[in-house]
Amino acid sequence: AQKITQTQPGMFVQEKEAVTLDCTYDTSDQSYGLFWYKQPSSGEMIFLIYQGSYDEQNATEGRYSLNFQKARKSANLVISASQLGDSAMYFCAMRDPGGNKLTFGTGTQLKVEL
Amino acid sequence: NAGVTQTPKFQVLKTGQSMTLQCAQDMNHNSMYWYRQDPGMGLRLIYYSASEGTTDKGEVPNGYNVSRLNKREFSLRLESAAPSQTSVYFCASTEQGSSNQPQHFGDGTRLSIL
Repeated sequence: AQKITQTQPGMFVQEKEAVTLDCTYDTSDQSYGLFWYKQPSSGEMIFLIYQGSYDEQNATEGRYSLNFQKARKSANLVISASQLGDSAMYFCAMRDPGGNKLTFGTGTQLKVEL
Repeated sequence: NAGVTQTPKFQVLKTGQSMTLQCAQDMNHNSMYWYRQDPGMGLRLIYYSASEGTTDKGEVPNGYNVSRLNKREFSLRLESAAPSQTSVYFCASTEQGSSNQPQHFGDGTRLSIL
C-alpha cells in the first residue's frame, strides 16, 4: 500500500522568501508518480508540479520546484519568492503504477505574511 | 473551457435521504474519480472508473454507489445518507495510462447531512 506523509500541519513564510513543504512517501513499487496540488480557501484543487520516479532531474514549474530524493523517499515542494497569493493548503499525492489511483497526504497550510 | 463540472455545489440532506452528485468532463478523458475531503484527512478515493463501462472501489466505498453513464459523466449516489457522509466531494478526471498527467478536479460539492 502507498502512503504519503506531510508532517507540517501549518507553515508561515515572509513574502518574497522561499519555503519548503515536506513530503515523504512509502511504496514498494518501482514506478510511481508524485504530484503537488494547491487548494486555496475557495476550495478548488490546482495542479502544481509532477515528478516521475524515473525522472533523473528535479521537476520545476515557474516558482515551484520539487526536491526529489528517491533514496530518502522524499518529494519536497520548494516555493521561491513567496507571494500573498501562495497562502493555501498544499497537498502531496502519489499515483500508483497502474495510473489509476492517487493517494493524498493530509496537507500543509501555508500562510504568507507581509 | 469548463473542464470538470460538478453539481450541485452545496446540498443539505436529512439522515436517510438519497442523493446523486453529478460530474461531467469535457476533456475527453477516459478515467474519472470521486473523492471525499474531510478536515485533517486529505482526499480519499471513494470510487473510480478507469474507462467507460468500468467502475472500481477505492479506499472508502461503503455507503456509496457510482454510475459511469458515458465517457463524459460519472455520478455518485448516496442511497441512505448518514451524518458520517458530511464532507466535501470532489470529482476528477485524467487520461488513462498517462502516469505523468495530473488529475483535473471539479470545484467540489459541500454536502451536509443532518
